[in-house]
Amino acid sequence: DQQVKQNSPSLSVQEGRISILNCDYTNSMFDYFLWYKKYPAEGPTFLISISSIKDKNEDGRFTVFLNKSAKHLSLHIVPSQPGDSAVYFCAASLGGANSKLTFGKGITLSVRP
Amino acid sequence: DTGVSQNPRHKITKRGQNVTFRCDPISEHNRLYWYRQTLGQGPEFLTYFQNEAQLEKSRLLSDRFSAERPKGSFSTLEIQRTEQGDSAMYLCASSPQSGLSYNEQFFGPGTRLTVL
Repeated sequence: DQQVKQNSPSLSVQEGRISILNCDYTNSMFDYFLWYKKYPAEGPTFLISISSIKDKNEDGRFTVFLNKSAKHLSLHIVPSQPGDSAVYFCAASLGGANSKLTFGKGITLSVRP
Repeated sequence: DTGVSQNPRHKITKRGQNVTFRCDPISEHNRLYWYRQTLGQGPEFLTYFQNEAQLEKSRLLSDRFSAERPKGSFSTLEIQRTEQGDSAMYLCASSPQSGLSYNEQFFGPGTRLTVL
């Protein structure tokens, strides 16, 4: 049972445009959500996170939006750059002492120059 | 470099052999996690330590798998009698117990295991 779902396996956008990466979850007890970026042959790199008590968190070109009623979150990258091309994972945790992460399958973002 | 380190980066072994991987977390982090990632999937949780105590193990962690963190610093993950299905990337992550980053896990580069 996939509790965190990234239904689109890939996304291609033009440099300078917005990239929108979507993620859905089924467990309403998830309390904290994170996005990781992964290049081939490297471990995931933390990008941005959001607590369930917020609906938006922004860090430079990256913004994460959380819609708890829809159990949906999205990562916006504006403007997209070729160096953003990577696999992006959405992850969720129950928070507090139970902090293991549940990941989606990832989405491959390609930013065309 | 003060990030999470893992050794070896690559391991090729024959079916039935035992293998051991090591993870050195960020020094001030007392939480340490092991995940496994196979092709086309996201990382899957295996086990979690807070200091030297192993607090949770996934049902993915069969009896052939054992993890230790003897002094609350580095950790080892051992797989006995390896099977071809064990071929995967084994990732280690660490996080602090408190502070602004306590919900965030920082990953090492992983150990790629290939079982022939």
